[in-house]
Amino acid sequence: GDSVTQMEGPVTLSEEAFLTINCTYTATGYPSLFWYVQYPGEGLQLLLKATKADDKGSNKGFEATYRKETTSFHLEKGSVQVSDSAVYFCALSDATGRRALTFGSGTRLQVQP
Amino acid sequence: GAGVSQSPRYKVAKRGQDVALRCDPISGHVSLFWYQQALGQGPEFLTYFQNEAQLDKSGLPSDRFFAERPEGSVSTLKIQRTQKEDSAVYLCASSLGVEQFFGPGTRLTVL
Repeated sequence: GDSVTQMEGPVTLSEEAFLTINCTYTATGYPSLFWYVQYPGEGLQLLLKATKADDKGSNKGFEATYRKETTSFHLEKGSVQVSDSAVYFCALSDATGRRALTFGSGTRLQVQP
Repeated sequence: GAGVSQSPRYKVAKRGQDVALRCDPISGHVSLFWYQQALGQGPEFLTYFQNEAQLDKSGLPSDRFFAERPEGSVSTLKIQRTQKEDSAVYLCASSLGVEQFFGPGTRLTVL
């Protein structure tokens, strides 16, 4: 079945550091790929998405590129802020009509001032 | 604008009790999903509705779990004879297309 593997946390960075959170996936067909973010005390929010190979999703300074050849969707940001501290989830939706999401286990990011 | 809402936000149950968790999706959203999120883990799929039809319930962990969406809007997830291992956050999401919009979740604690 489909699966998502992302790097374990916590990831601790200083403000303005470069961020990479790795995500790889296993799926049949051509899934859509997502990054969701969960801020403390809040619900899951979509951060960015990509629906086909070589697409780049971007939002709030975060970027991720759908790499079919390496089955990856790594999240990057050039300069993190304290307000980016949250748990980040990589996810895919299957290529069939159901479109249920398969999530990774999440990566907690802590940004220190 | 109203997002997805869930109630109650917190529920404490004694082992063996039945519980009912409610989800109000975004108005007009055809698809509705339930997920279970254990502490420190990513959400896991439970069941999926398209309008009032439950098209996939393959993620429900046992026959103690039951979900319904009788009029194609509000949905209820019911857990009978709760067990300690049912303790988790239960998330509801609705969608019209690819993007799913999540509610805040119901945190269920079974003592």
